[in-house]
Amino acid sequence: SAVISQKPSRDICQRGTSLTIQCQVDSQVTMMFWYRQQPGQSLTLIATANQGSEATYESGFVIDKFPISRPNLTFSTLTVSNMSPEDSSIYLCSVEGPGYGADTQYFGPGTRLTVL
Amino acid sequence: DAKTTQPTSMDCAEGRAANLPCNHSTISGNEYVYWYRQIHSQGPQYIIHGLKNNETNEMASLIITEDRKSSTLILPHATLRDTAVYYCIVAKTSYDKVIFGPGTSLSVIP
Repeated sequence: SAVISQKPSRDICQRGTSLTIQCQVDSQVTMMFWYRQQPGQSLTLIATANQGSEATYESGFVIDKFPISRPNLTFSTLTVSNMSPEDSSIYLCSVEGPGYGADTQYFGPGTRLTVL
Repeated sequence: DAKTTQPTSMDCAEGRAANLPCNHSTISGNEYVYWYRQIHSQGPQYIIHGLKNNETNEMASLIITEDRKSSTLILPHATLRDTAVYYCIVAKTSYDKVIFGPGTSLSVIP
């Protein structure tokens, strides 16, 4: 299974500022995914990040607000830009990886963001 | 939009089997049924997946109907630590983007 770490684990930020979240994987993976989980809600996919190409964003999410970097096969960052209180959520990265005889997705522990 | 429907919540007595249903009537022939769960304040955890045959692992069993339009996740002996939100998802593989619905909130009661 893949071991995924995220930094920071939580942060409290002022509106109008930006926060960069890091996702580190202990093995090389092709695809990484970024999700948002608003309070009391399910997970919503923000974008898919492949190494060496531009991230693919889902409807309702744009690169200017959530720029993503994917410099190598074990690391990615998600920036939440010009934050507002509505951006208060848990942000999770996930990767595809081998498991149980077929590929599954593994999720990081999440970054809990509070915007004041 | 999620391709599955699940009950919003369920209760199960500790030590009994928890049977979580899922409807996926529009599933296509090359899509798998995946189950994940999310324990409070943690990232989702993979449980099991299947295509058309029933599957079992150390965590759970997955029963898929013959027409593949519904499935049931079975936790054979639920414990308090199984209290979580359980998500049923259909996807071609894990490379396919995973769309989460609201899931079923399972409460295991002492």
